[in-house]
Amino acid sequence: GQNIDQPTEMTATEGAIVQINCTYQTSGFNGLFWYQQHAGEAPTFLSYNVLDGLEEKGRFSSFLSRSKGYSYLLLKELQMKDSASYLCAVVDSNYQLIWGAGTKLIIKP
Amino acid sequence: DAMVIQNPRYQVTQFGKPVTLSCSQTLNHNVMYWYQQKSSQAPKLLFHYYDKDFNNEADTPDNFQSRRPNTSFCFLDIRSPGLGDAAMYLCATSRTANSGANVLTFGAGSRLTVL
Repeated sequence: GQNIDQPTEMTATEGAIVQINCTYQTSGFNGLFWYQQHAGEAPTFLSYNVLDGLEEKGRFSSFLSRSKGYSYLLLKELQMKDSASYLCAVVDSNYQLIWGAGTKLIIKP
Repeated sequence: DAMVIQNPRYQVTQFGKPVTLSCSQTLNHNVMYWYQQKSSQAPKLLFHYYDKDFNNEADTPDNFQSRRPNTSFCFLDIRSPGLGDAAMYLCATSRTANSGANVLTFGAGSRLTVL
């Protein structure tokens, strides 16, 4: 079967750095997405990785290792507004999007 | 601003009473999706339209139906809601379907409560 694993919940301090990991086992791979979802709101696109390496976009970076079936989302200089769920999703060989259950990130002052 | 709009944002219904949720988009995207998301769970794809072509997921119950009368609008009909259908229903769009870099644009969701 196809599987995406993420931690259920993480806590971090305002101004700090946090890394949210995602491991996947899918039938084929055509890219990996990270979406941010605030409570009661729609997911919004953060990043897309299809090649190995680090993609940096402001305070957020996303890393991919296809050989390890592993990605992480790195959030720097955390702000209270970063409190949200972060969803990892993988595009499989049939271009189906396989979603993780999301990691709830709690930011404390 | 181009966007995806869902109505209503909150819907309360009684067990077995039909419900229709609507989604409209101004992005002129070809593909429209309906997802069901329960608390702390992954979004579950119910079905999607590529233009007028309807694609049903194998495990989507018959209780869920969809209509896409034109490019801009898509509806989700729940014929006889059960308690297990209480969830957030998310509409999303994308320019194409069979592509790796296929970014979805979501609406704000419709939260369904079944009494």
